[in-house]
Amino acid sequence: GAGVSQSPSNKVTEKGKDVELRCDPISGHTALYWYRQSLGQGLEFLIYFQGNSAPDKSGLPSDRFSAERTGGSVSTLTIQRTQQEDSAVYLCASSLGPRFGRDPEAFFGQGTRLTVV
Amino acid sequence: AQSVAQPEDQVNVAEGNPLTVKCTYSVSGNPYLFWYVQYPNRGLQFLLKYITGDNLVKGSYGFEAEFNKSQTSFHLKKPSALVSDSALYFCAVSYPTDSWGKLQFGAGTQVVVTP
Repeated sequence: GAGVSQSPSNKVTEKGKDVELRCDPISGHTALYWYRQSLGQGLEFLIYFQGNSAPDKSGLPSDRFSAERTGGSVSTLTIQRTQQEDSAVYLCASSLGPRFGRDPEAFFGQGTRLTVV
Repeated sequence: AQSVAQPEDQVNVAEGNPLTVKCTYSVSGNPYLFWYVQYPNRGLQFLLKYITGDNLVKGSYGFEAEFNKSQTSFHLKKPSALVSDSALYFCAVSYPTDSWGKLQFGAGTQVVVTP
């Protein structure tokens, strides 16, 4: 597709369960980012992938959060043993990356709304 | 520490009047500056960016922003607001010396344009 695609759009899960959120970036974009948007914390950076480099995981809030990016394209954000405070909208974005210094803006998907009950 | 400040939680403006949404950032290197807009139940949409060059940048939907290095500000402006401009606006900063494109967002400013 033309834009960043995220699935599912909504996810309700029970506390303690694991969830996987998927992001399909814009074709050709080498950089991929995950953000979290919540009422109390605003927009928070979680993790960043750039090509084959080691990801920048500095924003992950706990070791229950992990992400991978297979084949330089699709990414999955996994939250283990979900807690109620994990309820938020998880946004994925992609960009062309540092080789294209004139166009570094990130394009965002519609997000996955996660509700932990 | 790097930070982005949007001092106003909400801006109210009448349709047809000028709209300004304020943003300041902490100084560290040469930042890239962005504005994004979020409509209800939708993702973030890119509006405009400042990388280098002219301090006045023009973006989508008639918006523009002025980079002021001495005041470390990047205020968003629109000469004549529309009701459809009502949305949540985010200022963001990234530093290429850090992880490329890793954005630090302000808290957001809700814009309400009344007919």
